[in-house]
Amino acid sequence: QSALTQPASVSGSPGQSITISCTGTSSDVGSYNLVSWYQQHPGKAPKLMIYEVSKRPSGVSNRFSGSKSGNTASLTISGLQAEDEADYYCCSYAGSSTFWVFGGGTKLTVL
Amino acid sequence: EVQLVESGGGLVQPGGSLRLSCAASGFTVSSNYMSWVRQAPGKGLEWVSVIYSGGSTYYADSVKGRFTISRDNSKNTLYLQMNSLRAEDTAVYYCAGADYFDYWGQGTLVTVSS
Repeated sequence: QSALTQPASVSGSPGQSITISCTGTSSDVGSYNLVSWYQQHPGKAPKLMIYEVSKRPSGVSNRFSGSKSGNTASLTISGLQAEDEADYYCCSYAGSSTFWVFGGGTKLTVL
Repeated sequence: EVQLVESGGGLVQPGGSLRLSCAASGFTVSSNYMSWVRQAPGKGLEWVSVIYSGGSTYYADSVKGRFTISRDNSKNTLYLQMNSLRAEDTAVYYCAGADYFDYWGQGTLVTVSS
């Protein structure tokens, strides 16, 4: 069982927007603005898409955005494209004894 | 361009040992946080260990006392020594660099089975 809870799957049509939630606790997501999101295509390594809740690394499309409220973080992808179909994982810092916890992952299907 | 290349994975019997390597280019291992993250077949990501630029090391409870993270600054390479391996350690092991796992290698598969 993963420390952070994500929906197993979400779907959307091209051009639409979707949001993936990531629910933790007051010991991780709720305590630190250190939530990151990763995109993983089948057989590939994860790719950093969002860090520190809402910051985008250089080269990541501005269609990807992040936010946080309380113990829940969210990743929103607008203007869905076929290439966005992948697994998405959230991650949060959880303090100096647990360090980093991941969500179980969400499979995004572009219909 | 940053490149991280893992090696050293393979099939090992329960109770055995394995050492993984992660060779970096375009990126200085000693100046950055370096982590190992694993992914069991068909499962999600799990943080395993980190070594800070200052040399401090930390581990997930699931591997504490069995795994050791280290680096060779002269070779710009990260290592993970894995002892007392169990079936549940079977996974693809990724090295990941920088504060938020900004850079990832392609992964190396470790299979623990008799």
